[in-house]
Amino acid sequence: GESVGLHLPTLSVQEGDNSIINCAYSNSASDYFIWYKQESGKGPQFIIDIRSNMDKRQGQRVTVLLNKTVKHLSLQIAATQPGDSAVYFCAEGGGATNKLIFGTGTLLAVQP
Amino acid sequence: DVKVTQSSRYLVKRTGEKVFLECVQDMDHENMFWYRQDPGLGLRLIYFSYDVKMKEKGDIPEGYSVSREKKERFSLILESASTNQTSMYLCASSSGTSLDEQFFGPGTRLTVL
Repeated sequence: GESVGLHLPTLSVQEGDNSIINCAYSNSASDYFIWYKQESGKGPQFIIDIRSNMDKRQGQRVTVLLNKTVKHLSLQIAATQPGDSAVYFCAEGGGATNKLIFGTGTLLAVQP
Repeated sequence: DVKVTQSSRYLVKRTGEKVFLECVQDMDHENMFWYRQDPGLGLRLIYFSYDVKMKEKGDIPEGYSVSREKKERFSLILESASTNQTSMYLCASSSGTSLDEQFFGPGTRLTVL
């Protein structure tokens, strides 16, 4: 929504640069992780997911890295474009819960 | 493409009113979810349903109820709206286990005066 970007950590990058958005997850038993993108006025859209038996997964211009040792997840966006400007959420699931737990999000601002 | 639609994009209600938020998905998904989204708090799960007439409480069910009479439709009900329920409400659906990718609707921005 329009006000989702308020009070969020912000990453500002130049168009064409690579972006890295980080996420610390909370449950060491989580075994499924997703990144979502939310543009202003829209609902979250799936970008990429990864299961805990993998360290890395690549999509089109995006890569997700999972470090289970330190419970850290990152999303790398190559050659960032103005259309990548949005709030990015990570979510974790698995373990004792059948629900996804969402992070608070990071606002990516792409400067032309 | 999966489509999740929500009945209203913007809604303004008064304190004490009964409010219905409707969500419909067209991909025959078993699971449906209602979240609220507030600045700085991310998405918080209110209720979810993994089958018709089945429901489970999420993390913040107080003040809300849900109804799932048909597989494609999941309704969120605020029995007596309060100002602290002013928020963005997001509906989502998924197939298979709850851990599969969730597809979201566009959201309903509810303001309670």
